[in-house]
Amino acid sequence: EAGVAQSPRYKIIEKRQSVAFWCNPISGHATLYWYQQILGQGPKLLIQFQNNGVVDDSQLPKDRFSAERLKGVDSTLKIQPAKLEDSAVYLCASNSLAGESEQFFGPGTRLTVL
Amino acid sequence: AQSVTQLGSHVSVSEGALVLLRCNYSSSVPPYLFWYVQYPNQGLQLLLKYTTGATLVKGINGFEAEFKKSETSFHLTKPSAHMSDAAEYFCAVSLDTGANSKLTFGKGITLSVRP
Repeated sequence: EAGVAQSPRYKIIEKRQSVAFWCNPISGHATLYWYQQILGQGPKLLIQFQNNGVVDDSQLPKDRFSAERLKGVDSTLKIQPAKLEDSAVYLCASNSLAGESEQFFGPGTRLTVL
Repeated sequence: AQSVTQLGSHVSVSEGALVLLRCNYSSSVPPYLFWYVQYPNQGLQLLLKYTTGATLVKGINGFEAEFKKSETSFHLTKPSAHMSDAAEYFCAVSLDTGANSKLTFGKGITLSVRP
């Protein structure tokens, strides 16, 4: 079974530029999460989708961050404009609707904002 | 709201020694508890989880953890460290499982294993 795929793996941009990250969850997984992991901290949930609907985006900085999950499969997370403090690893995770299923994580995208 | 405390940022042990990584949680309702491991430049991998039932949980790679409600703790242990255990370890709490789970992570502990 293929895992959660993310691209790009690394991205360097200057502040005020825009950037987008892509995630392809495990086939059949209805729920998809985006986490932000700042160096030295644990991952923090930004947004949770179930199919193509948003379940929780309470911690998403909506003035600059946006995310979508068209057709309930792939998802993109966008930052516009980026700030220095957005430098972090952005992790995507997915899980199925079955019982006590676990979240499976992708390898992440490391963003550096200069 | 729930939270996780992982005291210290770095633990160093000798190969073959006991590994003990501490985790304390705060939750208003009975929590679901998780330990994840992260190797360099990789995503998080689930080591073990406590949902209900037996409070001693066994996971992959010889790790286990015990849920102690009275101490609000979920410490991770392994009897004998191996060089391949060197990684970052995260404790997490959720109020639900499966598709409704929302994980709150601790800040993580880096485990080093000395030869």
